[in-house]
Amino acid sequence: SYVLTQPPSVSVAPGKTARITCGGNNIGSKSVHWYQQKPGQAPVLVIYYDTDRPSGIPERFSGSNSGNTATLTISRVEAGDEADYCCQVWDTSSDPLVVFGGGTKLTVL
Amino acid sequence: EMQLVESGGGLVQPGGSLRLSCAASGVTFSAYWMSWVRQAPGKGLEWVANIKHDGSETYYVDSLKDRFTISRDNAKNSLYLQMNSLRAEDTAVYYCASPRDYDQGYFDSWGQGTLVTVSS
Repeated sequence: SYVLTQPPSVSVAPGKTARITCGGNNIGSKSVHWYQQKPGQAPVLVIYYDTDRPSGIPERFSGSNSGNTATLTISRVEAGDEADYCCQVWDTSSDPLVVFGGGTKLTVL
Repeated sequence: EMQLVESGGGLVQPGGSLRLSCAASGVTFSAYWMSWVRQAPGKGLEWVANIKHDGSETYYVDSLKDRFTISRDNAKNSLYLQMNSLRAEDTAVYYCASPRDYDQGYFDSWGQGTLVTVSS
């Protein structure tokens, strides 16, 4: 099965840049999607197809994907960005079909 | 934009069964693949199952395919998840969601989730 590895936690001061990684074997060959989830709420898509941003998501959110690592970057971090962030890909060659990373808790100091 | 509302969660004893429902609105439901995704307390998201627009194809995570059944009724704009032989480890919030660009895409529509608790 395909495994996505994320750091359990990332901490950043307000106004700084947060980078959350998602590691997977040759993940650069896959399309990576990112979700933000706040306590008690459903996930919200923040980046799709590695770099695209849904309408309503601030330009401060960006993504990249190459080699064995995809990265979600949040610039000029705000207190409201504190949440869990999770990456997702499809792996049609094995089980499960849809793979989520374990999630990263972003703490704004 | 698709709106999704789950229902049917609750407390069930180990070995019991439960049927979750998800009501869709705002779009032509029969044009969309649908999925169930769950999240155990304090854990990450776990994909459970997918169903094709017309219900002709279903896919499951291997570990659940013998106990869980995904289905849909397009006339009622509804998605279902029948869960049998429930175990404590099935305790989770269950979300219905719709994937865009099946087999490579993202989930941009999610319900609010329904909590299933398996306990005696």
